[in-house]
Amino acid sequence: GENVEQHPSTLSVQEGDSAVIKCTYSDSASNYFPWYKQELGKRPQLIIDIRSNVGEKKDQRIAVTLNKTAKHFSLHITETQPEDSAVYFCAASPNVLNAGGTSYGKLTFGQGTILTVHP
Amino acid sequence: GAVVSQHPSWVICKSGTSVKIECRSLDFQATTMFWYRQFPKKSLMLMATSNEGSKATYEQGVEKDKFLINHASLTLSTLTVTSAHPEDSSFYICSASKGRNEQYFGPGTRLTVT
Repeated sequence: GENVEQHPSTLSVQEGDSAVIKCTYSDSASNYFPWYKQELGKRPQLIIDIRSNVGEKKDQRIAVTLNKTAKHFSLHITETQPEDSAVYFCAASPNVLNAGGTSYGKLTFGQGTILTVHP
Repeated sequence: GAVVSQHPSWVICKSGTSVKIECRSLDFQATTMFWYRQFPKKSLMLMATSNEGSKATYEQGVEKDKFLINHASLTLSTLTVTSAHPEDSSFYICSASKGRNEQYFGPGTRLTVT
């Protein structure tokens, strides 16, 4: 099955600095790579995602890059703000067929990164 | 939109009892629903995947007789923790899919077994 490694486990930056979180995956069949932000006791919130046919995607201060050959992808947050402080999870998803023949995307999550942005 | 609800948001039960958690997709039909478990300061671990009208597919190490999953309709899946023990205390999160890779997460249920 898929295995996702995420680094660093904790990241502390000053407000205005950039933050980078990196993930590697093992299954070359994975074709969807979302990033989630989770605040304490809350549901994971999708902040950006990328599919395997794209190398980079940007949404305002957030960008994701994907290197399929090396099987790694990264989250970049620029001009960080204190409200960016949270736990960030990467995930990788291949398509899987269940016993009934239904195809679905199965997410495997990284271990998470605790991001702290100091004012 | 793609809104997923979970009920209850938190529950306390006594050891040995069973507790049921509901997951509903409110504005779409979910071809597949997923149940995750999350321990404090840890990642989400997939427990099982369910499709409407068929048996759930459990991940390795998850006891299917302890964690009963029913996917009665395209908008409702339930997780029943049977004979709960303190080690079952955790944050349980469901998600629902419209058929592509994207999953829409519920708000989670915090279970405490005393």
